Amino acid sequence: EPEVTQTPSHQVTQMGQEVILRCVPISNHLYFYWYRQILGQKVEFLVSFYNNEISEKSEIFDDQFSVERPDGSNFTLKIRSTKLEDSAMYFCASSTPRGRGNTIYFGEGSWLTVV
Amino acid sequence: QQQVKQSPQSLIVQKGGISIINCAYENTAFDYFPWYQQFPGKGPALLIAIRPDVSEKKEGRFTISFNKSAKQFSLHIMDSQPGDSATYFCAALITGFQKLVFGTGTRLLVSP
Repeated sequence: EPEVTQTPSHQVTQMGQEVILRCVPISNHLYFYWYRQILGQKVEFLVSFYNNEISEKSEIFDDQFSVERPDGSNFTLKIRSTKLEDSAMYFCASSTPRGRGNTIYFGEGSWLTVV
Repeated sequence: QQQVKQSPQSLIVQKGGISIINCAYENTAFDYFPWYQQFPGKGPALLIAIRPDVSEKKEGRFTISFNKSAKQFSLHIMDSQPGDSATYFCAALITGFQKLVFGTGTRLLVSP
Protein backbone atom coordinates (compact mmCIF):
# COMPACT_ATOMS: atom_id res chain seq x y z
CA GLU A 1 0.00 0.00 0.00
CA PRO A 2 1.39 3.44 -0.88
CA GLU A 3 2.47 5.50 2.08
CA VAL A 4 3.63 8.93 3.09
CA THR A 5 7.27 8.87 4.12
CA GLN A 6 8.95 11.40 6.39
CA THR A 7 12.52 12.24 7.31
CA PRO A 8 14.10 12.55 9.76
CA SER A 9 12.26 10.37 12.23
CA HIS A 10 13.79 12.30 15.10
CA GLN A 11 15.72 15.55 15.25
CA VAL A 12 17.19 17.42 18.17
CA THR A 13 17.98 21.07 17.57
CA GLN A 14 19.04 24.06 19.60
CA MET A 15 16.63 26.90 20.17
CA GLY A 16 16.95 29.50 17.44
CA GLN A 17 18.18 27.08 14.82
CA GLU A 18 16.45 26.41 11.52
CA VAL A 19 14.89 23.02 10.93
CA ILE A 20 13.63 21.43 7.72
CA LEU A 21 11.34 18.43 7.89
CA ARG A 22 10.92 16.46 4.70
CA CYS A 23 8.06 14.41 3.32
CA VAL A 24 7.36 12.35 0.24
CA PRO A 25 3.57 12.27 -0.22
CA ILE A 26 1.74 9.48 -1.99
CA SER A 27 2.57 9.85 -5.66
CA ASN A 28 -0.82 10.59 -7.23
CA HIS A 29 -2.02 12.84 -4.42
CA LEU A 30 -2.47 16.53 -4.99
CA TYR A 31 -3.21 17.87 -1.49
CA PHE A 32 -0.46 18.02 1.10
CA TYR A 33 -0.61 18.88 4.76
CA TRP A 34 1.40 19.34 7.89
CA TYR A 35 -0.06 18.58 11.29
CA ARG A 36 1.62 18.52 14.66
CA GLN A 37 1.04 16.73 17.93
CA ILE A 38 2.54 17.95 21.16
CA LEU A 39 3.27 15.01 23.46
CA GLY A 40 0.07 13.63 24.93
CA GLN A 41 -2.17 16.08 23.14
CA LYS A 42 -4.40 16.00 20.09
CA VAL A 43 -3.30 16.31 16.49
CA GLU A 44 -3.47 19.91 15.27
CA PHE A 45 -3.70 21.21 11.72
CA LEU A 46 -0.89 23.49 10.59
CA VAL A 47 -1.22 24.02 6.86
CA SER A 48 -2.63 22.63 3.64
CA PHE A 49 -0.99 23.00 0.24
CA TYR A 50 -2.45 22.61 -3.22
CA ASN A 51 -1.35 23.61 -6.68
CA ASN A 52 1.94 24.97 -5.36
CA GLU A 53 0.42 27.32 -2.87
CA ILE A 54 -0.92 27.36 0.66
CA SER A 55 -4.68 26.79 0.61
CA GLU A 56 -5.26 27.15 4.34
CA LYS A 57 -3.20 27.66 7.47
CA SER A 58 -3.89 27.71 11.18
CA GLU A 59 -2.99 30.31 13.79
CA ILE A 60 -0.04 28.13 14.78
CA PHE A 61 1.49 28.53 11.31
CA ASP A 62 3.04 31.93 11.82
CA ASP A 63 5.88 33.66 9.97
CA GLN A 64 8.41 31.25 11.46
CA PHE A 65 6.93 28.44 9.41
CA SER A 66 7.05 27.90 5.66
CA VAL A 67 6.28 25.08 3.29
CA GLU A 68 7.68 24.25 -0.09
CA ARG A 69 7.40 21.66 -2.80
CA PRO A 70 10.88 22.00 -4.28
CA ASP A 71 10.43 19.25 -6.86
CA GLY A 72 7.79 16.82 -8.04
CA SER A 73 8.03 14.50 -5.08
CA ASN A 74 9.14 16.27 -1.90
CA PHE A 75 7.16 18.49 0.43
CA THR A 76 9.00 20.33 3.18
CA LEU A 77 8.21 22.20 6.37
CA LYS A 78 10.76 24.78 7.49
CA ILE A 79 10.85 26.32 10.93
CA ARG A 80 13.08 29.33 10.66
CA SER A 81 14.02 29.94 14.29
CA THR A 82 12.89 27.15 16.56
CA LYS A 83 11.44 27.75 20.00
CA LEU A 84 11.12 25.34 22.90
CA GLU A 85 7.37 25.15 22.33
CA ASP A 86 7.94 23.87 18.78
CA SER A 87 8.92 20.51 20.30
CA ALA A 88 6.34 18.10 18.93
CA MET A 89 5.71 15.29 16.49
CA TYR A 90 5.15 16.72 13.03
CA PHE A 91 3.03 14.69 10.64
CA CYS A 92 2.95 15.11 6.91
CA ALA A 93 -0.21 13.97 5.15
CA SER A 94 -1.61 13.83 1.66
CA SER A 95 -4.89 13.19 -0.09
CA THR A 96 -6.42 12.79 -3.52
CA PRO A 97 -8.25 15.60 -5.28
CA ARG A 98 -11.23 17.14 -3.58
CA GLY A 99 -14.19 14.89 -3.41
CA ARG A 100 -16.71 13.60 -1.00
CA GLY A 101 -15.18 11.31 1.59
CA ASN A 102 -11.58 11.44 0.40
CA THR A 103 -9.07 9.98 2.80
CA ILE A 104 -6.16 11.86 4.30
CA TYR A 105 -3.14 9.61 4.77
CA PHE A 106 -0.55 10.39 7.42
CA GLY A 107 3.13 9.65 7.58
CA GLU A 108 4.78 8.20 10.67
CA GLY A 109 5.96 11.58 11.84
CA SER A 110 9.12 13.49 12.59
CA TRP A 111 9.77 13.99 16.27
CA LEU A 112 11.34 17.41 16.84
CA THR A 113 13.00 18.20 20.15
CA VAL A 114 14.13 21.78 20.70
CA VAL A 115 16.62 22.23 23.53
CA GLN B 1 -17.45 26.01 16.68
CA GLN B 2 -14.46 24.21 15.20
CA GLN B 3 -14.00 21.90 18.18
CA VAL B 4 -14.72 18.21 18.34
CA LYS B 5 -15.21 16.95 21.89
CA GLN B 6 -14.22 13.37 22.63
CA SER B 7 -14.80 11.12 25.63
CA PRO B 8 -13.66 9.25 27.57
CA GLN B 9 -10.03 10.26 27.83
CA SER B 10 -9.05 6.68 28.63
CA LEU B 11 -10.81 3.36 28.60
CA ILE B 12 -10.00 -0.10 29.88
CA VAL B 13 -11.95 -2.99 28.38
CA GLN B 14 -11.59 -6.72 28.88
CA LYS B 15 -10.74 -8.88 25.91
CA GLY B 16 -13.93 -9.75 24.06
CA GLY B 17 -15.80 -6.73 25.39
CA ILE B 18 -17.22 -3.73 23.55
CA SER B 19 -15.27 -0.47 23.49
CA ILE B 20 -17.33 2.67 22.99
CA ILE B 21 -15.87 6.11 22.30
CA ASN B 22 -18.03 9.17 21.86
CA CYS B 23 -17.60 12.45 20.02
CA ALA B 24 -19.67 15.59 19.64
CA TYR B 25 -19.39 18.59 17.36
CA GLU B 26 -21.01 21.99 16.98
CA ASN B 27 -20.36 23.03 13.40
CA THR B 28 -23.12 21.63 11.19
CA ALA B 29 -20.98 22.32 8.12
CA PHE B 30 -18.83 19.29 8.97
CA ASP B 31 -19.74 16.59 6.44
CA TYR B 32 -17.12 13.88 6.88
CA PHE B 33 -16.27 12.13 10.13
CA PRO B 34 -13.31 9.75 10.20
CA TRP B 35 -11.85 7.80 13.09
CA TYR B 36 -8.10 7.38 13.30
CA GLN B 37 -6.12 4.80 15.24
CA GLN B 38 -2.67 5.71 16.50
CA PHE B 39 -0.08 3.41 18.01
CA PRO B 40 2.78 4.91 20.06
CA GLY B 41 5.39 6.54 17.86
CA LYS B 42 3.30 6.11 14.72
CA GLY B 43 1.12 8.37 12.63
CA PRO B 44 -2.68 8.31 12.73
CA ALA B 45 -4.15 5.62 10.47
CA LEU B 46 -7.68 5.84 9.12
CA LEU B 47 -9.90 3.22 10.66
CA ILE B 48 -13.38 3.98 9.40
CA ALA B 49 -15.31 7.07 8.29
CA ILE B 50 -18.92 8.16 7.88
CA ARG B 51 -20.90 10.90 6.21
CA PRO B 52 -23.94 12.48 7.93
CA ASP B 53 -26.44 11.05 5.44
CA VAL B 54 -25.86 7.60 6.99
CA SER B 55 -26.73 6.66 10.58
CA GLU B 56 -24.42 3.69 10.88
CA LYS B 57 -21.45 2.18 9.12
CA LYS B 58 -19.86 -1.13 9.93
CA GLU B 59 -16.50 -2.51 8.86
CA GLY B 60 -15.58 -5.77 10.49
CA ARG B 61 -15.50 -5.29 14.26
CA PHE B 62 -15.68 -1.49 13.96
CA THR B 63 -18.97 0.42 13.77
CA ILE B 64 -19.66 4.14 13.64
CA SER B 65 -23.03 5.32 14.88
CA PHE B 66 -24.05 8.80 13.79
CA ASN B 67 -26.79 10.99 15.29
CA LYS B 68 -27.15 14.05 13.09
CA SER B 69 -29.79 15.80 15.19
CA ALA B 70 -27.72 15.44 18.36
CA LYS B 71 -24.47 16.23 16.49
CA GLN B 72 -22.84 13.19 18.00
CA PHE B 73 -21.07 10.15 16.66
CA SER B 74 -19.45 7.18 18.28
CA LEU B 75 -17.08 4.33 17.58
CA HIS B 76 -17.91 0.83 18.76
CA ILE B 77 -15.25 -1.86 18.75
CA MET B 78 -16.85 -5.26 19.11
CA ASP B 79 -14.96 -8.25 20.50
CA SER B 80 -12.10 -5.95 21.56
CA GLN B 81 -8.63 -7.50 21.34
CA PRO B 82 -5.32 -6.61 23.03
CA GLY B 83 -4.05 -5.58 19.59
CA ASP B 84 -6.71 -2.86 19.55
CA SER B 85 -4.90 -1.12 22.42
CA ALA B 86 -4.06 2.29 20.94
CA THR B 87 -5.18 5.89 20.99
CA TYR B 88 -8.28 6.62 18.96
CA PHE B 89 -9.09 10.04 17.55
CA CYS B 90 -12.35 11.14 16.07
CA ALA B 91 -12.16 13.94 13.55
CA ALA B 92 -14.36 16.10 11.37
CA LEU B 93 -13.87 17.83 8.07
CA ILE B 94 -15.73 20.16 5.76
CA THR B 95 -15.38 18.86 2.20
CA GLY B 96 -13.59 21.46 0.15
CA PHE B 97 -11.60 22.84 3.05
CA GLN B 98 -9.54 19.68 3.58
CA LYS B 99 -8.73 20.52 7.17
CA LEU B 100 -9.26 17.79 9.73
CA VAL B 101 -10.31 18.89 13.19
CA PHE B 102 -9.32 16.22 15.67
CA GLY B 103 -10.85 15.25 18.99
CA THR B 104 -8.64 15.03 22.06
CA GLY B 105 -8.13 11.28 21.77
CA THR B 106 -9.05 8.21 23.80
CA ARG B 107 -6.38 5.87 25.07
CA LEU B 108 -7.83 2.35 24.90
CA LEU B 109 -6.32 -0.54 26.79
CA VAL B 110 -7.74 -3.99 26.17
CA SER B 111 -6.72 -6.33 28.96
CA PRO B 112 -6.00 -9.99 28.08
